[in-house]
Amino acid sequence: DGGITQSPKYLFRKEGQNVTLSCEQNLNHDAMYWYRQDPGQGLRLIYYSQIVNDFQKGDIAEGYSVSREKKESFPLTVTSAQKNPTAFYLCASSIGSLETQYFGPGTRLLVL
Amino acid sequence: QKEVEQNSGPLSVPEGAIASLNCTYSDRGSQSFFWYRQYSGKSPELIMFIYSNGDKEDGRFTAQLNKASQYVSLLIRDSQPSDSATYLCAVTGGGADGLTFGKGTHLIIQP
Repeated sequence: DGGITQSPKYLFRKEGQNVTLSCEQNLNHDAMYWYRQDPGQGLRLIYYSQIVNDFQKGDIAEGYSVSREKKESFPLTVTSAQKNPTAFYLCASSIGSLETQYFGPGTRLLVL
Repeated sequence: QKEVEQNSGPLSVPEGAIASLNCTYSDRGSQSFFWYRQYSGKSPELIMFIYSNGDKEDGRFTAQLNKASQYVSLLIRDSQPSDSATYLCAVTGGGADGLTFGKGTHLIIQP
């Protein structure tokens, strides 16, 4: 069953804590992306990666970090430097940068 | 900075009528155009994509692209209550930095 999985579905962060959101795909896609969605807002790009061991900052990268050690995986860490992390986080992948992006089910991050 | 503009709505359409959703974009270099549907609390799912000027039809959905006027639209024929959702317009440019999304139009199909 091909697709994109994200875990966990809900994540709670305590102040000062780093948390990591998982994103895995078995579509053999080269490109992967992380977006953040706030209520009433569109999706905003956090980080993207076109190939293993390479990634680029998006529009709102401050307070976030990523890695791309495997083609299938693109985890996102929300660091303590991100002061307003409460949002819906969406991972996506595509064959190439101009191709259709397919989304995972999302992770909702809440602050305790 | 690429911008994608959509009317946030809500857009209310009677069941069985045609729903028309519009989107304008700022970057003349944009090459690919996408419509996603997003139900409340869920992730976006692709409805259609279009690359060339003109119309593209897929079942009840028609995407229309006019690059000279920098707008793209989505028509939904025979609207159903299950079409009630937020519709996101997205465009790509010449770079590798993913999609630029509009804020979406909230569509309500009234039974």
